Amino acid sequence: NAGVTQTPKFQVLKTGQSMTLQCAQDMNHNSMYWYRQDPGMGLRLIYYSASEGTTDKGEVPNGYNVSRLNKREFSLRLESAAPSQTSVYFCASSDITGTNTGELFFGEGSRLTVL
Amino acid sequence: AQSVTQLGSHVSVSEGALVLLRCNYSSSVPPYLFWYVQYPNQGLQLLLKYTTGATLVKGINGFEAEFKKSETSFHLTKPSAHMSDAAEYFCAVSGSGGYQKVTFGTGTKLQVIP
Repeated sequence: NAGVTQTPKFQVLKTGQSMTLQCAQDMNHNSMYWYRQDPGMGLRLIYYSASEGTTDKGEVPNGYNVSRLNKREFSLRLESAAPSQTSVYFCASSDITGTNTGELFFGEGSRLTVL
Repeated sequence: AQSVTQLGSHVSVSEGALVLLRCNYSSSVPPYLFWYVQYPNQGLQLLLKYTTGATLVKGINGFEAEFKKSETSFHLTKPSAHMSDAAEYFCAVSGSGGYQKVTFGTGTKLQVIP
């Protein structure tokens, strides 16, 4: 069972370049999330999608866009990358059904460096 | 509104000693509380959770946590540390009932000294 799959795992960009991080989950979860992790700051929510067809801003949405392509896939786009966006990005999914009381299932992360 | 405070960004314990990682939360609604563990270069995985019912919850790898509403705390403990416990631990809170966003603490790195 793959769970949450993120691609790419590593990426180096130059300032001003654009890129898209892809995320797919095979657990039939309704909700999906993008977080960034920076040293000493924990995980900060960038965008989330409570259900297919909806997206909402989290704590740190500036400089990012998202697309909930279908129930399985949730992508994060950097239109014009900046050095401040150097971080590790995590995609996660969750659901509130049965024993799944909102706990998050995470991908392995995408390490992005912007030069 | 909700928030999580983890006291101590780094904690060191000797192998075999008690592990205590502190977490305090604030929430305007009855909370769901979680502890996640992150090993180097990996994603986070659920260690244990409190939703309703018994306030002492047991998780994987011998960890447990107690929900204390009066103290707004959810501290993580393990009686005897093992070298394999070295990792970063995150406390998180969400509201109960239906869809709720999850808020994370800033994390505590646990070092286990042989």
